[in-house]
Amino acid sequence: KQEVTQIPAALSVPEGENLVLNCSFTDSAIYNLQWFRQDPGKGLTSLLLIQSSQREQTSGRLNASLDKSSGRSTLYIAASQPGDSATYLCAVNYYGQNFVFGPGTRLSVLP
Amino acid sequence: SAVISQKPSRDICQRGTSLTIQCQVDSQVTMMFWYRQQPGQSLTLIATANQGSEATYESGFVIDKFPISRPNLTFSTLTVSNMSPEDSSIYLCSVVRGQGADTQYFGPGTRLTVL
Repeated sequence: KQEVTQIPAALSVPEGENLVLNCSFTDSAIYNLQWFRQDPGKGLTSLLLIQSSQREQTSGRLNASLDKSSGRSTLYIAASQPGDSATYLCAVNYYGQNFVFGPGTRLSVLP
Repeated sequence: SAVISQKPSRDICQRGTSLTIQCQVDSQVTMMFWYRQQPGQSLTLIATANQGSEATYESGFVIDKFPISRPNLTFSTLTVSNMSPEDSSIYLCSVVRGQGADTQYFGPGTRLTVL
């Protein structure tokens, strides 16, 4: 069964800290992996997409890495801000047809 | 990117009734999906909406309960039939413009409460 897990489930940090969110998946035969953020009561906003052939992607203060062989991805957030507070979800795209989501990491950045 | 709208944004329904949710995209897309997000949970894929043919359902979801239509490349509907309180969730539409390697974009969601 294809499963995606995320650690930690929740994280609270002071403003300005650098932080790492982790995503693990059981089946390494993936098409790509995508990181999203979800604000309370809202839909999902795409942050970064990493293809299976790539090792990392960067967008502003965000950097996502992918290690297919170990079944892991990390999302690095530099110099965190209160506006970064949200739930972060990773989604693994298997064979271009089946997207499996992790349970999410709920991030709070305290001013 | 893709601009996706969903109607209604929220609804409160009585047990035993049905609700149809609409998803409209600003331009043609290859793939459209429907997800459910139960309270406090992550997203679960219900089905892939196929243009001009029957949707492809994931394990645990059936057409009689969640009939889906996709008459063209920019529009899809999901019906939640014979609702019970357990169907209270956020229902989200998502799209992929090209093939499976492209970014997945989500609509704002429909928050459904069943009494």
